[in-house]
Amino acid sequence: AQSVAQPEDQVNVAEGNPLTVKCTYSVSGNPYLFWYVQYPNRGLQFLLKYITGDNLVKGSYGFEAEFNKSQTSFHLKKPSALVSDSALYFCAVRVFKAAGNKLTFGGGTRVLVKP
Amino acid sequence: GAGVSQSPSNKVTEKGKDVELRCDPISGHTALYWYRQSLGQGLEFLIYFQGNSAPDKSGLPSDRFSAERTGGSVSTLTIQRTQQEDSAVYLCASSLAGQGGYNEQFFGPGTRLTVL
Repeated sequence: AQSVAQPEDQVNVAEGNPLTVKCTYSVSGNPYLFWYVQYPNRGLQFLLKYITGDNLVKGSYGFEAEFNKSQTSFHLKKPSALVSDSALYFCAVRVFKAAGNKLTFGGGTRVLVKP
Repeated sequence: GAGVSQSPSNKVTEKGKDVELRCDPISGHTALYWYRQSLGQGLEFLIYFQGNSAPDKSGLPSDRFSAERTGGSVSTLTIQRTQQEDSAVYLCASSLAGQGGYNEQFFGPGTRLTVL
């Protein structure tokens, strides 16, 4: 079975400060890892993914994430947070299986960026 | 181009009634997924369609839930005899084909279902 943990329900950060949203995963096999963001009353928007290759992945809106196999983590980062980054962030994992491709999501982390 | 669309955006129904939720995936996407997002909780996988293959129904919570996908495009999620615990936002997503599973999913805006 595959699982994802986002240990923080909420992260508060001042505008201009670095933002980190934590994610750890548990899978049998090589993981495909994704980050999505959900703004109020909106669907999820894809931010970035790790499939293979370079452990540092860059995505939309200045976000990046680092895949760490030894720590089974895929933390989302942004060097300088904006108020508009306030949203709900979901980490998700999938393992290649011929029988299915469903994503397993973490519980989400609410980010609040204060001006 | 057009993204994933869902209708209705909001649905209020009475306990015991049946409801149908519709999803129009992105053109050319052969994979389609339904998720449920309950208040204060993460996303729960419901069902997955890939081309003409048999759907993966492993996430459906009870036999009151069913889904179909006609012509490999539009999908309908049906909930029979709705219960108050069915109240949630139902999200549909689509992606390009590929057994590799590395294609990201594109989500619709969701249907907010409220069962009174």
